[in-house]
Amino acid sequence: DAGVTQSPTHLIKTRGQHVTLRCSPISGHKSVSWYQQVLGQGPQFIFQYYEKEERGRGNFPDRFSARQFPNYSSELNVNALLLGDSALYLCASSLTGVAGSYNEQFFGPGTRLTVL
Amino acid sequence: GDSVTQMEGPVTLSEEAFLTINCTYTATGYPSLFWYVQYPGEGLQLLLKATKADDKGSNKGFEATYRKETTSFHLEKGSVQVSDSAVYFCASGGGYQKVTFGIGTKLQVIP
Repeated sequence: DAGVTQSPTHLIKTRGQHVTLRCSPISGHKSVSWYQQVLGQGPQFIFQYYEKEERGRGNFPDRFSARQFPNYSSELNVNALLLGDSALYLCASSLTGVAGSYNEQFFGPGTRLTVL
Repeated sequence: GDSVTQMEGPVTLSEEAFLTINCTYTATGYPSLFWYVQYPGEGLQLLLKATKADDKGSNKGFEATYRKETTSFHLEKGSVQVSDSAVYFCASGGGYQKVTFGIGTKLQVIP
């Protein structure tokens, strides 16, 4: 079975540009979460989407946005890139996003974003 | 807000040595607790989890017990192998799917 897939694998951008990262969840999974992992740190939660609605947001500026499509795939968009946005961006999928419960999250390999 | 504190590495051990990586958490309510592992060049994998107090999670010889009284979830393995070399993340998860991760502990096992 295919796991969580992310594209592109690597990306190089310059300050001020915009970037779109893509994620396809495991078949049957309806929830997608995004995390930012700066080198040497643990992943930081950015967003969670379930059934195409935002269900959670971490402490990130409005330059970060995301959406989920009818097929449950997701995009993360970052505007006005800063040097500090350089990181590994991880996508995770799970069966549901029901409040008060936890379903195991399966992580993709990530997209390595470098901002110059 | 929720937070997870784990010992900083790197930790270097000889093969067959005993491993302990300490982890404590702060959270509202009673979160689920996890250990994730990230092997070089690979994504995060769930190693083990515990969903309530006194639960013990175990997998591949690793164990961790959910201790509510000490708000801890220490990872242990009796005899590490070179193939266990990786970065280990302690994490907590509550409602919805937000997971709060620790900083990660790099483990290097030498033959």
